[in-house]
Amino acid sequence: AQSVTQLDSHVSVSEGTPVLLRCNYSSSYSPSLFWYVQHPNKGLQLLLKYTSAATLVKGINGFEAEFKKSETSFHLTKPSAHMSDAAEYFCVVSDLDDYKLSFGAGTTVTVRA
Amino acid sequence: KAGVTQTPRYLIKTRGQQVTLSCSPISGHRSVSWYQQTPGQGLQFLFEYFSETQRNKGNFPGRFSGRQFSNSRSEMNVSTLELGDSALYLCASSEQGSETQYFGPGTRLLVL
Repeated sequence: AQSVTQLDSHVSVSEGTPVLLRCNYSSSYSPSLFWYVQHPNKGLQLLLKYTSAATLVKGINGFEAEFKKSETSFHLTKPSAHMSDAAEYFCVVSDLDDYKLSFGAGTTVTVRA
Repeated sequence: KAGVTQTPRYLIKTRGQQVTLSCSPISGHRSVSWYQQTPGQGLQFLFEYFSETQRNKGNFPGRFSGRQFSNSRSEMNVSTLELGDSALYLCASSEQGSETQYFGPGTRLLVL
């Protein structure tokens, strides 16, 4: 079974500073990985996805993630945080054989003015 | 294209009742998945449907069921509600052969 582990349950940054959200995955083969964001009382919005093309993936709102097979990691970054980035972020792995997504526990991002 | 829609957005029920939630996928998407989100358990997979067939089911009791119609719309039903069923229920749709799922806004269920 495939799984992901988000290494930080909460990250607090100042507006204008970089954001780093860490995710490690476990997979028996090359996985498809995603980052989703959930703002308070909202559904999940797709930020970006990795599907074995380029290892550096660019997403919406200035986010990007790098797939590192040697480290089994898929960390999400943004150079400069904005107040609107305050939300919960989920690292997700897809199991196409089982037709389902498996979610990490989530990382709550707080942005300080 | 319109996104995934879910109805109702909010529901309050009492223990022992049953509830039906509805999901309309993005036009052209034939796969619909359901997830339960709670503070304690996070996001958990309920089931997935494609062309009216359930292809996978998560580890939930038989009180949780679903179905999909010929127009790809899906419903999930929870019978004999328990307090622990209080959650945000999220529906997602995807195109055939794609692993990318697009989520609706969710239905927030409160069981009293």
